Amino acid sequence: SAVISQKPSRDICQRGTSLTIQCQVDSQVTMMFWYRQQPGQSLTLIATANQGSEATYESGFVIDKFPISRPNLTFSTLTVSNLSPEDSSIYLCSGGGTGQETQYFGPGTRLLVL
Amino acid sequence: GENVEQHPSTLSVQEGDSAVIKCTYSDSASNYFPWYKQELGKRPQLIIDIRSNVGEKKDQRIAVTLNKTAKHFSLHITETQPEDSAVYFCAADRDDKIIFGKGTRLHILP
Repeated sequence: SAVISQKPSRDICQRGTSLTIQCQVDSQVTMMFWYRQQPGQSLTLIATANQGSEATYESGFVIDKFPISRPNLTFSTLTVSNLSPEDSSIYLCSGGGTGQETQYFGPGTRLLVL
Repeated sequence: GENVEQHPSTLSVQEGDSAVIKCTYSDSASNYFPWYKQELGKRPQLIIDIRSNVGEKKDQRIAVTLNKTAKHFSLHITETQPEDSAVYFCAADRDDKIIFGKGTRLHILP
């Protein structure tokens, strides 16, 4: 299994600013992903963080708004840019093997945009 | 792309009774079907998973069944306990990613 940590656990930001979330895995993993979860809702996949190359974004999510880095097999960052109140949500990272192997989740980052 | 439908959205069962949550998926290429439990304010935790070469899998009070022909799979929880109260998500793999259903909020009534 993999243990995943995220920083920060929560933040309050002003509109127009950006927040960078860090995701650290305690072991090397093949795949890392970023999700958004609105309160009481399901998990929506933002993008796959690819090691050493550009992230692969899902429909409705773009790199300019959600730039992602993955410099190695244990670490990734998600930046939420040009924040608006609609970006208020919980952001979770996950990591694991390929799509047919267990994905482990971080504890999430709760973002509130004022 | 893969679409995962989950029912019901809310389920209330008496403590000690069984709970069943059902999901359907659209992509016949999907082969991996995990179930996650998420307690309030916590991260999703994998509770059981099944692969397409298996029709049923059981782990103590939890079991999952898969009908690949009909493209549906179900979670069964027997002898429910108060700590089973949570949101449960089914999911299916698609192109090395996991696509989630909308979740079922399970309430265990005393």
